[in-house]
Amino acid sequence: EAGVAQSPRYKIIEKRQSVAFWCNPISGHATLYWYQQILGQGPKLLIQFQNNGVVDDSQLPKDRFSAERLKGVDSTLKIQPAKLEDSAVYLCASSLDLSSTRQETQYFGPGTRLLVL
Amino acid sequence: QKEVEQDPGPLSVPEGAIVSLNCTYSNSAFQYFMWYRQYSRKGPELLMYTYSSGNKEDGRFTAQVDKSSKYISLFIRDSQPSDSATYLCAMSLTGFQKLVFGTGTRLLVSP
Repeated sequence: EAGVAQSPRYKIIEKRQSVAFWCNPISGHATLYWYQQILGQGPKLLIQFQNNGVVDDSQLPKDRFSAERLKGVDSTLKIQPAKLEDSAVYLCASSLDLSSTRQETQYFGPGTRLLVL
Repeated sequence: QKEVEQDPGPLSVPEGAIVSLNCTYSNSAFQYFMWYRQYSRKGPELLMYTYSSGNKEDGRFTAQVDKSSKYISLFIRDSQPSDSATYLCAMSLTGFQKLVFGTGTRLLVSP
């Protein structure tokens, strides 16, 4: 079974520029998550999708961050404009189905490392 | 005060040692407790999870939860160099949703 795919793996931009990250979840996984992991910290949830609908975006800085999952499969996360403090690893994760009564494990991708100069 | 506290390490041990990794937390409503392993340049992978208090064992790994003390532990027996990674604790009110992660402890196991 193929894992969660993310691209690009690394990105360097200057502050005030825009950047986009792409995630392809495990086939059949309805739930998709984006996390931000700043160096030396644990992952922090930014947004959670169930199919193509947003379940939780309470910690997403909506003035500069946006995310979409138009067809309920792939997702993109965008930052515009970027700030120095956005330097982090952006992790995508997926799980089978939020509505399932079982406890569905999240599977993480390798992440995209962003450096804002 | 952070919701979940974890010593960042690094923790250096020789091969074969017993390793103890710990987290404390402040929210007494947490019911689900997880341990993730994260290798360098990789995403976290779930090692174990426990519901409520008690112990759980899986091979060389044992997870313990003491809700009265708001303290969780992961023990690794017969540690191997391949165990060298960052270990993240995570917890939640409702299963694998809305996970709150610790900062991670970096473990180095030397041959």
